[in-house]
Amino acid sequence: NAGVTQTPKFRVLKTGQSMTLLCAQDMNHEYMYWYRQDPGMGLRLIHYSVGEGTTAKGEVPDGYNVSRLKKQNFLLGLESAAPSQTSVYFCASRPPGSFGQYFGPGTRLTVT
Amino acid sequence: LAKTTQPISMDSYEGQEVNITCSHNNIATNDYITWYQQFPSQGPRFIIQGYKTKVTNEVASLFIPADRKSSTLSLPRVSLSDTAVYYCLVGDLTGNQFYFGTGTSLTVIP
Repeated sequence: NAGVTQTPKFRVLKTGQSMTLLCAQDMNHEYMYWYRQDPGMGLRLIHYSVGEGTTAKGEVPDGYNVSRLKKQNFLLGLESAAPSQTSVYFCASRPPGSFGQYFGPGTRLTVT
Repeated sequence: LAKTTQPISMDSYEGQEVNITCSHNNIATNDYITWYQQFPSQGPRFIIQGYKTKVTNEVASLFIPADRKSSTLSLPRVSLSDTAVYYCLVGDLTGNQFYFGTGTSLTVIP
């Protein structure tokens, strides 16, 4: 199993550009999450999904949109990137009945 | 959403046992306690979870007192490769809002 994979690994955007980050998991997990982690900080939850076709806001949702059209994929979109969105983005998934989340390797995004 | 408090950093020599304590005074009846380990430039890795008393796996032990207002992650005989940030999380299985905090940065010294 590949576990949780994220695409791309690195990206540089100019202010105002848009992009989509892809998260894929092959563990058939119901729940999926997008976090951001700024230097020296813990992870903050952006959006999450409890199943295919569902999404919900986390702690810091502004400026981001998400979609979960297929159970194995969770997409994070930035419609108009801002320098404040420079961060490392992590995707995670977990099955119901377990508290442990499985994380992807992260996407390092720089907005200039 | 139960928030947690951990020491910002700890140092330990190789081969010693390390105990990292997390305070969670507002823990709810249905909440579980989970610990993660994060190496630089990697995503966090789930280590252990527990509800009460003691839990042990091949990586660590988790001690939870009767009042559940704190928990202690115990790493036996640490090595240099255990240098990482450790996060304590509290929440219930039906919830999806998790507070990671800033974690505890453990440095293992040769």
